[in-house]
Parts: sequence; structure tokens; C-alpha cells
Amino acid sequence: QVQLVESGGGVVQPGGSLRLSCAASRFTFSSFGMHWVRQAPGKGLEWVSFIRSDGSDKYYADSVKGRFTISRDNSKNALYLQMNSLRAEDTAVYYCAKDPPTVTTRYFDSWGQGTLVTVSS
Amino acid sequence: IVMTQSPATLSVSPGERATLSCRASQSVSSNLAWYQQKPGQAPRLLIYGASTRATGIPARFSGSGSGTEFTLTISSLQSEDFAVYYCQQYTNWPPLTFGGGTKVEIK
Repeated sequence: QVQLVESGGGVVQPGGSLRLSCAASRFTFSSFGMHWVRQAPGKGLEWVSFIRSDGSDKYYADSVKGRFTISRDNSKNALYLQMNSLRAEDTAVYYCAKDPPTVTTRYFDSWGQGTLVTVSS
Repeated sequence: IVMTQSPATLSVSPGERATLSCRASQSVSSNLAWYQQKPGQAPRLLIYGASTRATGIPARFSGSGSGTEFTLTISSLQSEDFAVYYCQQYTNWPPLTFGGGTKVEIK
């Protein structure tokens, strides 16, 4: 059973920074693309970012491009999201999610429990 | 690609059939997934490829459609099925996009 555990959320002031982590286990982490997906309080789901299994390709939603950076350390089975210049509208639960086994498809076959980021003064 | 789900809320009695719709602003072929989310929980993958059930998903959940029109059907609602359901396209990205969700509530 795939396990994804996010951490690093908290309260941060507008303009501040935060780094989220996702610890992966019970699957071969280095073989799968990984995503961050967020959900503002009471709202729907929004895809944030994707990183290929070897870290060679990264993609971002327009809403976070230039402010957020996705990375991974396959030796530690860990996924990261560095969030800079945070805004109130970045307030959300952030989930890490795993790509399916099929290399060319991009949906989310496993999810972590999420970590809450609150941007407020 | 904009994904539109309807209705926003669906009131159904236990044991009844529920039919949820998802429309894409342009063709996504069969590159569509459905997720279920219960309060305070992460989403769970139900369907991918428009009609293939994910591992462990009961047979009462079925998906259909292709192109721009998709349907998730729950044949006989159980108490544990009352939740919010999201569709997501993965044919043309970035970005990967979700519908706004349909809340299935007890009638």
C-alpha cells in the first residue's frame, strides 16, 4: 500500500516562504512522476506542479509559476515544494500525489493526507 | 481545458441510482479520471481512462463517455458513497484540470 506523508505546512505571512515535504514509502519512488495538488478551504482541487521520475522535467500551474519550485531526492524517497512570495490565495491544503504506472498518463492514483498552509498577517 | 460538472449538488436516497456529469470544453478523448472525496479526507481515485475502475473500487461505480461528455454512475448508493466527486482531464496539459465537483448528499 503506497504511503505518502506531507509535512511542513503552517502559518506564514504574505510574502513569506515555506517548504513542504512529502515522504514516500512502499513503492519504488524513483520510478514515478509526482505532483502537488492543492485545495483552498471549502473549494475544489487545483493542480499545482509535476516533476518527472528522474527530475528532468518540471511543470507548474500559471498561478504559481515563478514563485514555487518542485524538486525531489530519489535517494531519500522525498518530494518537495519550495513556496516563495506567498499570497493569501495560496492558503490551502497541499497534497502530494503519485502518477500511475503508465508513463504517458497524468492522473493521481495515490494521495497523501495533506498539509495545511495558511498565508495570513 | 475547462471541465464543468453538473449538478453541483445531487440529493439521492440510499439504494437509488446517482448519475453525475462532466463536460470538457474540448475533446479529451478518454483521458478522464474520477475521484471521490469525503470530508476531512484526501481524494481517492475511482475511475481512469473514462471507464476503468481503480483497484479496490466496487462494481457499483461505473464511468462512461469520451470526447467531451462523461458520466459517473453509482448504481445503488450506499451510506459510504455520500461525498464530493471530481472529474479531471489529462489529455492536454499543463495544466491538469479538475471540474468544480458534485456533492452527493442524502435525500
